[in-house]
Amino acid sequence: EDKVVQSPLSLVVHEGDTVTLNCSYEVTNFRSLLWYKQEKKAPTFLFMLTSSGIEKKSGRLSSILDKKELFSILNITATQTGDSAIYLCASTQGGSEKLVFGKGTKLTVNP
Amino acid sequence: NAGVTQTPKFRILKIGQSMTLQCAQDMNHNYMYWYRQDPGMGLKLIYYSVGAGITDKGEVPNGYNVSRSTTEDFPLRLELAAPSQTSVYFCASSLGHSSSYEQYFGPGTRLTVT
Repeated sequence: EDKVVQSPLSLVVHEGDTVTLNCSYEVTNFRSLLWYKQEKKAPTFLFMLTSSGIEKKSGRLSSILDKKELFSILNITATQTGDSAIYLCASTQGGSEKLVFGKGTKLTVNP
Repeated sequence: NAGVTQTPKFRILKIGQSMTLQCAQDMNHNYMYWYRQDPGMGLKLIYYSVGAGITDKGEVPNGYNVSRSTTEDFPLRLELAAPSQTSVYFCASSLGHSSSYEQYFGPGTRLTVT
């Protein structure tokens, strides 16, 4: 059965801290791994990773994929209260367009 | 572009009632999806469609039905609502191109069955 596992499930930090969120996957015919940020409503897209070792970066957020060890990390540096959200990791499934999602990591950034 | 739109935003149903959750996209995307999200459980795929007239079951299809008569619309039908269907429902769409698997999400429908 295809699965995506995220850790930790919940994390509380102070503004300015750096955090690392983890995502491991076991899927058939892997193609890509995606990260989403979910605040109050719909998930919004952050990154799509297809190749190992190539870092994707957007401002204070960055992510990298390791296809040998089957995991990805999402780093957030100098966290701000606006980073508080659920971060979802998803993998393509069975070589198709379908995504299988992890349970998410709930990040709380306190002032 | 409005992107992906969903109606209603909120709904309370009694056990045994039926309803249709509406979803529309104006991005000319081939693929559309319905997910449910329960607290702490991520997103679970209910049904998906790869084009007009073609639908298939996802991970949790029981108690739901879908149709896709046009590229733009993908309604989700609950026939006999049960408390286990209390959840937040998200519709999503994607281009269906291997260069990007990004799915675009609607704002969600919060459904309570009592």
